[in-house]
Amino acid sequence: GAVVSQHPSWVICKSGTSVKIECRSLDFQATTMFWYRQFPKQSLMLMATSNEGSKATYEQGVEKDKFLINHASLTLSTLTVTSAHPEDSSFYICSARLPGIGERNTEAFFGQGTRLTVV
Amino acid sequence: GEDVEQSLFLSVREGDSSVINCTYTDSSSTYLYWYKQEPGAGLQLLTYIFSNMDMKQDQRLTVLLNKKDKHLSLRIADTQTGDSAIYFCAESRRYSSASKIIFGSGTRLSIRP
Repeated sequence: GAVVSQHPSWVICKSGTSVKIECRSLDFQATTMFWYRQFPKQSLMLMATSNEGSKATYEQGVEKDKFLINHASLTLSTLTVTSAHPEDSSFYICSARLPGIGERNTEAFFGQGTRLTVV
Repeated sequence: GEDVEQSLFLSVREGDSSVINCTYTDSSSTYLYWYKQEPGAGLQLLTYIFSNMDMKQDQRLTVLLNKKDKHLSLRIADTQTGDSAIYFCAESRRYSSASKIIFGSGTRLSIRP
């Protein structure tokens, strides 16, 4: 199946610094990618939909100035956590879907996740 | 409350069948999914079902969909220790030109000998 690669797998940063997480679709072009956040022992919360060549669409309650999303190419979306604080510590997962409609578009492929720890 | 609901825990004996249940609220959902997440790992798609189907079987996995009640279940036959994980039910919702996948809370499946 299609592969989505996320980097880094884990990162520790100091409070107040910014951290960038990359999400790449390795063998297909993804016009849309999704960013999720998962707290320990909880479900995945959709943060935003990343659209290639245009602004991301953020879910209600997600600060767009805090979580900057850039989707500059058909294979790369980045999430930057700006001025990180300990409460931003979480597991961040991206996903991408194959382009097309119907059956072809059913499956979302997920990256392996990035564990962010802010100290 | 959650738009996609699941019980949090399930414990089964090795070799028995596991049945994980899920309810959802959006009747316009086109696809419904089951994902598996092992500790510290990303998500693995196990199976999915289109909303006009009642059942789908794939080796040890059986998915049942009751669209009237908005109820989805995943049955794992002959449960093994390697099946220990969190299982997420998810639905695909269409918003304007895009579809979003919304997840349930996840059911933690533990296997006892």
